Amino acid sequence: KNEVEQSPQNLTAQEGEFITINCSYSVGISALHWLQQHPGGGIVSLFMLSSGKKKHGRLIATINIQEKHSSLHITASHPRDSAVYICAVRFRGGSQGNLIFGKGTKLSVKP
Amino acid sequence: NAGVTQTPKFQVLKTGQSMTLQCAQDMNHNSMYWYRQDPGMGLRLIYYSASEGTTDKGEVPNGYNVSRLNKREFSLRLESAAPSQTSVYFCASSVQGESYEQYFGPGTRLTVT
Repeated sequence: KNEVEQSPQNLTAQEGEFITINCSYSVGISALHWLQQHPGGGIVSLFMLSSGKKKHGRLIATINIQEKHSSLHITASHPRDSAVYICAVRFRGGSQGNLIFGKGTKLSVKP
Repeated sequence: NAGVTQTPKFQVLKTGQSMTLQCAQDMNHNSMYWYRQDPGMGLRLIYYSASEGTTDKGEVPNGYNVSRLNKREFSLRLESAAPSQTSVYFCASSVQGESYEQYFGPGTRLTVT
């Protein structure tokens, strides 16, 4: 079964800390998404990547295709970064309807 | 440009009642999706529409039906609601498929008693 595992499940950090959230998957993929779910419930797409690295402001997403692993980094974390971060993977092959979501990492940044 | 809109935001149903969740997008996207989110589980796909005029089952389609009314609108119907359908429902859209960025609606919190 194609699976997506995220770690850690919960993460508490002090403001200003460098944060890393990990995502591992089981087989080859065509795309990997990082999403942010705000405390109010809304979901926003942060990155979509299939190789290499992407950066947007204080957020950096990397992917290692050989190791089947992606990381989301947050530099100089801030309390407003507190949210659930979700990794989702489009496994290679097959028709549409194949985006598999991780269970999320709940991040809390304390002032 | 509203993005993806969903109605209603909240709904309480009694077991056996029916209702339709509405979703619309104004980004001219081809693909639209309905997901449900339950505590301790990842988002799960209920139905999707790869393009106007087509719909297909996802991971958890039982108890639901969908209609892709036109390119903008994709509705989800519960014919006879059950407590197991208590969940938060999200509609999403993308240009074409899951290898493109997904845009999510604000969600509908549904409780079935």
